[in-house]
Amino acid sequence: KAGVTQTPRYLIKTRGQQVTLSCSPISGHRSVSWYQQTPGQGLQFLFEYFSETQRNKGNFPGRFSGRQFSNSRSEMNVSTLELGDSALYLCASRSGDPTGNTIYFGEGSWLTVV
Amino acid sequence: KNQVEQSPQSLIILEGKNCTLQCNYTVSPFSNLRWYKQDTGRGPVSLTIMTFSENTKSNGRYTATLDADTKQSSLHITASQLSDSASYICVVSARTGGGADGLTFGKGTHLIIQP
Repeated sequence: KAGVTQTPRYLIKTRGQQVTLSCSPISGHRSVSWYQQTPGQGLQFLFEYFSETQRNKGNFPGRFSGRQFSNSRSEMNVSTLELGDSALYLCASRSGDPTGNTIYFGEGSWLTVV
Repeated sequence: KNQVEQSPQSLIILEGKNCTLQCNYTVSPFSNLRWYKQDTGRGPVSLTIMTFSENTKSNGRYTATLDADTKQSSLHITASQLSDSASYICVVSARTGGGADGLTFGKGTHLIIQP
């Protein structure tokens, strides 16, 4: 059974640009969550999608957005990039129950903003 | 406010030794607690998940304990190996609230195993 797949793994962008990250969840999983991880801050929740609908949202500015497709694949977009957006962006999938199931993380997308 | 505090922040031990990592939480109402291992530059991988009624759960050389009364959990690593060098993250799930997704993450313990 394939795990959570994130692309690209590494990317470098310039301030002011935008970026789109992609995530394919485990087959059969309908919930996809996105997290930002920076040194010293731990994982910060961005948003969660379930069956193409945003179910929860963290405390991030509107420059961070996402969507989910009918096949459960998800994308997140960051517009007008800032230096502080440099981080590891992790995608996680689970079958649906927000409290009971194990969360499976992808390997992450390393974003560097210069 | 729901919080998860992990200690120590970092730890260095010699290969073959045992160690214990701590996690204290104030998440309420409690649903479950998970420990994850995250190798540098990789995504976190689940080690254990424990509900309110479980005191101990093992996964190979990893043993997690939970005291729901004192709201404390520990992760004990036996006979450490070089491959155990990683960050260990404690994640507590609330039935409602917590983070916006019901989860509250600790900042992790960075463990280094020296040969």
